[in-house]
Amino acid sequence: GQNIDQPTEMTATEGAIVQINCTYQTSGFNGLFWYQQHAGEAPTFLSYNVLDGLEEKGRFSSFLSRSKGYSYLLLKELQMKDSASYLCAVKGGYGQNFVFGPGTRLSVLP
Amino acid sequence: KAGVTQTPRYLIKTRGQQVTLSCSPISGHRSVSWYQQTPGQGLQFLFEYFSETQRNKGNFPGRFSGRQFSNSRSEMNVSTLELGDSALYLCASSSTGTSGTSSYNEQFFGPGTRLTVL
Repeated sequence: GQNIDQPTEMTATEGAIVQINCTYQTSGFNGLFWYQQHAGEAPTFLSYNVLDGLEEKGRFSSFLSRSKGYSYLLLKELQMKDSASYLCAVKGGYGQNFVFGPGTRLSVLP
Repeated sequence: KAGVTQTPRYLIKTRGQQVTLSCSPISGHRSVSWYQQTPGQGLQFLFEYFSETQRNKGNFPGRFSGRQFSNSRSEMNVSTLELGDSALYLCASSSTGTSGTSSYNEQFFGPGTRLTVL
């Protein structure tokens, strides 16, 4: 089966660092994606990992451990505009599509 | 480059009716995937079309169908609407499609169609 877990909600303070975890069990693996979705808007691509390790992109970093079925998204120097839902998605093997996690709603407080 | 467009943005229908939603992918993209997003179930994959062929299908009843035209525009149809079909319907386009062997398949999402079934 396919299963992706993320915390439902998180709260952090402006300027802080927050880590959003994602664990997955999928029948195939061909990459893990993180998307940001503001309320009422479409998801937008943040990051992609296919090999183990850390990918850094400005204030955002994403980590992957394939052996553990685990990823995290790290957001540094939090800003109010980072308040959004963060979706973890796994691309399965050939013939399989993206499976999305339930999303983590992040609230950044002043 | 224009983004993914979806029409209409909002729809209100009653139970038993049918609805057709439209999606125009980014120019040059041949793959369109459709998703249903609800507060309880999150984002769920409906189907993917690539070069006018359905490549993959999620676990939705046959009331949900789709097609893709030669210009890559896609439509999805829901017949005999039920209250539970109320959701945000998102389409996403990509250049190579998401069912193939290529690992990097970034999807670009449209703004969605908010369907309310009364």
